[in-house]
Amino acid sequence: GAVVSQHPSRVICKSGTSVKIECRSLDFQATTMFWYRQFPKQSLMLMATSNEGSKATYEQGVEKDKFLINHASLTLSTLTVTSAHPEDSSFYICSARDLRGNYGYTFGSGTRLTVV
Amino acid sequence: DAKTTQPTSMDCAEGRAANLPCNHSTISGNEYVYWYRQIHSQGPQYIIHGLKNNETNEMASLIITEDRKSSTLILPHATLRDTAVYYCIVRAGNAGNMLTFGGGTRLMVKP
Repeated sequence: GAVVSQHPSRVICKSGTSVKIECRSLDFQATTMFWYRQFPKQSLMLMATSNEGSKATYEQGVEKDKFLINHASLTLSTLTVTSAHPEDSSFYICSARDLRGNYGYTFGSGTRLTVV
Repeated sequence: DAKTTQPTSMDCAEGRAANLPCNHSTISGNEYVYWYRQIHSQGPQYIIHGLKNNETNEMASLIITEDRKSSTLILPHATLRDTAVYYCIVRAGNAGNMLTFGGGTRLMVKP
């Protein structure tokens, strides 16, 4: 089945610094990828839709200048959390759909971000 | 996409069948029922999906009522590793749309 690789799995950074999270589709091409955020004991909340070769679409309340998304190729999307603050600490998850088959959406393993 | 309603939590004895219900009374004709699960601190894992017929794969069975207003995910022989949050999601079949997650059901499989 389709595989989505997300890196890093865990990162700790200082307040004010930026963190980049990578999401790769390993065996398929993904024109669209999705970025979710999940706070403890809560469900996944969609942050933005990443489109290859064009600007990302952000959900209401998500600051596009703070969460920079780049989808420069059909297999790679990146999310950069800029000027991170402790309230940005969360579990970030990417997802993509392999249009070849019937597997639905495939998710990365997630990135646990802790801002200190 | 249609809204779904699931119980907040359920327990199941190890080795027994786990039956997880989902109500989606506002589902429309072109919407599929998807089931995912999320084990603690991991990304969601695809389980199964269906439109109107019952479906079975190596992980689970999906039973959809004739009026399609509800469905049940069945794990035939639950193991401790099946402890997770199970999400029932309804969405249209066209490509490109994201998945919208509700609260899900927290399944606890007990020895």
